[in-house]
Amino acid sequence: QVQLQQSGPGLVKPSQTLSLTCAISGDSVSGNSVAWNWIRQSPSRGLEWLGRTYYRSKWYNDYAVSVKSRITLNPDTSKNQFSLQLNSVTPEDTAVYYCARSGGTSGVDYWGQGTLVTVSS
Amino acid sequence: DIQMTQSPSSLSASVGDRVTITCRASQSISRSLNWYQQKPGKAPKLLIYGASSLQSGVPSRFSGSGSGTDFTLTISSLQPEDFATYYCQQSYSLPLTFGGGTKVEIK
Repeated sequence: QVQLQQSGPGLVKPSQTLSLTCAISGDSVSGNSVAWNWIRQSPSRGLEWLGRTYYRSKWYNDYAVSVKSRITLNPDTSKNQFSLQLNSVTPEDTAVYYCARSGGTSGVDYWGQGTLVTVSS
Repeated sequence: DIQMTQSPSSLSASVGDRVTITCRASQSISRSLNWYQQKPGKAPKLLIYGASSLQSGVPSRFSGSGSGTDFTLTISSLQPEDFATYYCQQSYSLPLTFGGGTKVEIK
């Protein structure tokens, strides 16, 4: 059974960097048929996909255009986890952030527990 | 980006009712359409993938249909635990995009 455990601060100051980590159990971050995603949810923006990282003989990242200049996803094979960094945050980045696994056309089948991140001074 | 539009945005129904939710894509997405259920304070849960394939462990009262741009999620006989918000999502192309949700409430 795949489990995703998120960690990271729930409060970030404006202009600073939001950092979250997702620890994977029951699967490998280097798995060659899945991708590892970050998705956020807010009342104003709904469910918004931010990006994904995946391994197919080498590492690939895909990012949403809306955050492309500010986002970095990093896999960590030694700890079997992946992380999200979102720079220069504003109050509009306040949301519940989820890490999640996806596999081709099979949907997003495993989700982390969610982390409410509030951007406020 | 592919826009996903759900209707209705909310509905009231009784236990035992047949419920239908629709989702329309702004362009053809073949059958790359997934449905999720979300309860307050919880992450979305995958119900249907590939437009009509039931995710393991999901009750058979849930079914999906459609292809191209028009899709439907049907709950054949609504149960108390089905009161939740439902989302469609396309996995045809990046960015992955979600519908705005349909809240199913108790009548």
